[in-house]
Amino acid sequence: DAGITQSPRHKVTETGTPVTLRCHQTENHRYMYWYRQDPGHGLRLIHYSYGVKDTDKGEVSDGYSVSRSKTEDFLLTLESATSSQTSVYFCAISGTGGNQPQHFGDGTRLSIL
Amino acid sequence: GQQLNQSPQSMFIQEGEDVSMNCTSSSIFNTWLWYKQDPGEGPVLLIALYKAGELTSNGRLTAQFGITRKDSFLNISASIPSDVGIYFCAGQLMGSGAGSYQLTFGKGTKLSVIP
Repeated sequence: DAGITQSPRHKVTETGTPVTLRCHQTENHRYMYWYRQDPGHGLRLIHYSYGVKDTDKGEVSDGYSVSRSKTEDFLLTLESATSSQTSVYFCAISGTGGNQPQHFGDGTRLSIL
Repeated sequence: GQQLNQSPQSMFIQEGEDVSMNCTSSSIFNTWLWYKQDPGEGPVLLIALYKAGELTSNGRLTAQFGITRKDSFLNISASIPSDVGIYFCAGQLMGSGAGSYQLTFGKGTKLSVIP
């Protein structure tokens, strides 16, 4: 494993509730990413971070916010969850110094009823 | 955004056979990556390719970065049951945030190996 822990691994919640997913890394890598994986769509980038308090939007950022207050933690928040946000969410990290490949956590399966 | 066309979508092969899958894009990428995903787990990096024309091996796996920078292929030789899984290609480009890079993924090739 690349030293990435996602929590929780599974969550079931109701429409309209707030949800926060956590990604924790022990690699001291600069870059962190959140993806969602859905059948027929593959992996799509939601948001990413290029440093503490530095974040940017990805391809499917609507309805999501992120925060990174320290290097090792990257949080993904659904302010008011909708059924269309039912998905498997993956965190990834990559190092500094050129074109480093991304390494992924084991995912969080989120179901919104 | 960019799209990657990965083929085939799925394949069933006999144990011991060789496997080939590929990705094509209308856009140029500066890096091609190949990942494997097992059920309930995250994608695991198999091979990273950084130069057009580069041919790289990792055990029974061989991948190439196309000359045009718009395609890549992955070969698996002498397949075994543990090769079962979903294989993803990904093209990497520099993002807008301070040296970050962004990946665009293919939709995956689901490999089944018949013992």
